Amino acid sequence: QVQLVQSGAEVKRPGASVNVSCKASGYTFSHYAINWLRQAPGHGLEWLGWIYGFNGKTYYTQNFQGRVIITTDTSTTTAYMELRSLRSDDTAVYYCARGDPYEWELLRRNRPFDVWGQGTMVTVSS
Amino acid sequence: DIVMTQSPDSLAVSLGERATIRCKSSQNLLYDINNKSYLGWYQQKPGQPPKLLIYWASTRESGVPDRFSGSGSGTDFTLTISSLQAEDVAVYYCQQYYSTPPLFTFGPGTRVHIK
Repeated sequence: QVQLVQSGAEVKRPGASVNVSCKASGYTFSHYAINWLRQAPGHGLEWLGWIYGFNGKTYYTQNFQGRVIITTDTSTTTAYMELRSLRSDDTAVYYCARGDPYEWELLRRNRPFDVWGQGTMVTVSS
Repeated sequence: DIVMTQSPDSLAVSLGERATIRCKSSQNLLYDINNKSYLGWYQQKPGQPPKLLIYWASTRESGVPDRFSGSGSGTDFTLTISSLQAEDVAVYYCQQYYSTPPLFTFGPGTRVHIK
């Protein structure tokens, strides 16, 4: 079945970096995008960025430009999200989610995020 | 960026009664070429990732019970649960996926619980 499986929980010091992985299976990885989002405790959903599995093209929300890097390894159908210069307010559950890969062609977009990973808790604490 | 708002923040509904959640976008989400609004609704239960319920404002995702329905167009949208069941207790989010290039935003969520 179609699924996204994320790496396990992380505890990091302020100023460090964290790398979260998202292993895709059950579908053609290069036909979709992978989105990264986060949810701080008791808060809503915040979209961080997007990567197209076919060509590695990325988009990031401006709030995280320069601090987040999203990559893929097509040989292992895995996406990665690295967040640098961690602060205590980066403590959150981080999710990956599958989406349509169309940057500009609204006519070809169907569903938003139809498959989600289970989430990875990242705790930033001194 | 497109800003999404939702009302109410929290909603208490008796079992079997109707629940109505509203979502408003700061910009038009209707694409006039295909007459579709790029608005999705999600359900999130505690400790779980969100689950897609509705896309294109009113198209139910496969497997979603028909007591869930979406309506609206342009900037104003509604999610209705026609007869609330105990398993519907959750937080509901709307999301726009209209932005090109991708810059997707969510509403702050509405908590639905049993009266």
